[in-house]
Amino acid sequence: EDQVTQSPEALRLQEGESSSLNCSYTVSGLRGLFWYRQDPGKGPEFLFTLYSAGEEKEKERLKATLTKKESFLHITAPKPEDSATYLCAVQALTGFQKLVFGTGTRLLVSP
Amino acid sequence: DAGITQSPRHKVTETGTPVTLRCHQTENHRYMYWYRQDPGHGLRLIHYSYGVKDTDKGEVSDGYSVSRSKTEDFLLTLESATSSQTSVYFCATESGTSTETQYFGPGTRLLVL
Repeated sequence: EDQVTQSPEALRLQEGESSSLNCSYTVSGLRGLFWYRQDPGKGPEFLFTLYSAGEEKEKERLKATLTKKESFLHITAPKPEDSATYLCAVQALTGFQKLVFGTGTRLLVSP
Repeated sequence: DAGITQSPRHKVTETGTPVTLRCHQTENHRYMYWYRQDPGHGLRLIHYSYGVKDTDKGEVSDGYSVSRSKTEDFLLTLESATSSQTSVYFCATESGTSTETQYFGPGTRLLVL
């Protein structure tokens, strides 16, 4: 069964304090790994898709990386507006292209 | 942002009442999905559609039905609402072309008393 585990559940950072969020996954052949950002009371907002081990993608202060067993979302010099819940999801090669989500990491960046 | 709206945005209902949630998209995306989000469980797939009148079950489909009579609309019906169906419901769409990215609507918060 496809599974996604995110850690930590919650992370509190000072503004400018860089850190990483982890997404460990097991999947029967990876079609893609997705990162989303979710603000309170809103729907998930797409950030990145990674397809193969070694791939990296960047957007502003965020960089996502992928290995065969996990993905990291690196946050460099975060700002308070980066506070949100970050969700990771995987899509398997076989079967219909459903997403299997982790439970997310709640990030709070204090000024 | 795939031009997705959900209605209603908030609803309070009583146990045993039928409830219908609507998802409307303006991007002509082929695939549409209904998820529920609960603390400790993350987003879980209820039903999905791969075309007009083509739907299938997800992992938590018991007690739910769906219909898609037009490309732009995907309806989720709780046939007889129960307290366990209190949740936040999200609709998502995917173009079905080269990208597999799913784009999410703003959600409907449902409380079943």
